Amino acid sequence: DGGITQSPKYLFRKEGQNVTLSCEQNLNHDAMYWYRQDPGQGLRLIYYSQIVNDFQKGDIAEGYSVSREKKESFPLTVTSAQKNPTAFYLCASKTSGFQFFGPGTRLTVL
Amino acid sequence: KQEVTQIPAALSVPEGENLVLNCSFTDSAIYNLQWFRQDPGKGLTSLLLIQSSQREQTSGRLNASLDKSSGRSTLYIAASQPGDSATYLCAVRYNNDMRFGAGTRLTVKP
Repeated sequence: DGGITQSPKYLFRKEGQNVTLSCEQNLNHDAMYWYRQDPGQGLRLIYYSQIVNDFQKGDIAEGYSVSREKKESFPLTVTSAQKNPTAFYLCASKTSGFQFFGPGTRLTVL
Repeated sequence: KQEVTQIPAALSVPEGENLVLNCSFTDSAIYNLQWFRQDPGKGLTSLLLIQSSQREQTSGRLNASLDKSSGRSTLYIAASQPGDSATYLCAVRYNNDMRFGAGTRLTVKP
């Protein structure tokens, strides 16, 4: 059963903590993406990776970091430097122009 | 600046009505345009993808059109059903960059 999985579904973070959001895909897609979604706004690109061991900053990369050590995995770390991290985070992968999305992780800062 | 706008932000219709959702974009040098559906708290599900060389795509009760020269796309939903209630987002791809509209929240009343 192919697709994109994200975990956890809900995540709570205390001020000053780093947290890591997981994204795994078994679609054999080279390109993977992380987006942030806030109410009433379109998705904004945080980071993307076109190939293993390579990634690029998106529009709002400050306070976030990623790694791409395996084709299947593209974890996102939300660092304490991100001042307003409460949002819905979506991971996606792409092939032949189609973009596929995971179910999302809702991060809340306590 | 590449911006994508969706109007209206919210729409409520009675069951059975045909309806049109609008998407406009400022830069017409697009690679493709994709319409997504998002249910509350969930990821995005791809509905239709239109390549830049195409004028429209159809899937069941859905028809998406593209007018690149005027920077517009429409999503036509025929014979709407309560199960169509969701937020519909359009996304425009420019090479490796994808720009999202903020979405139209559709409610179909029984």
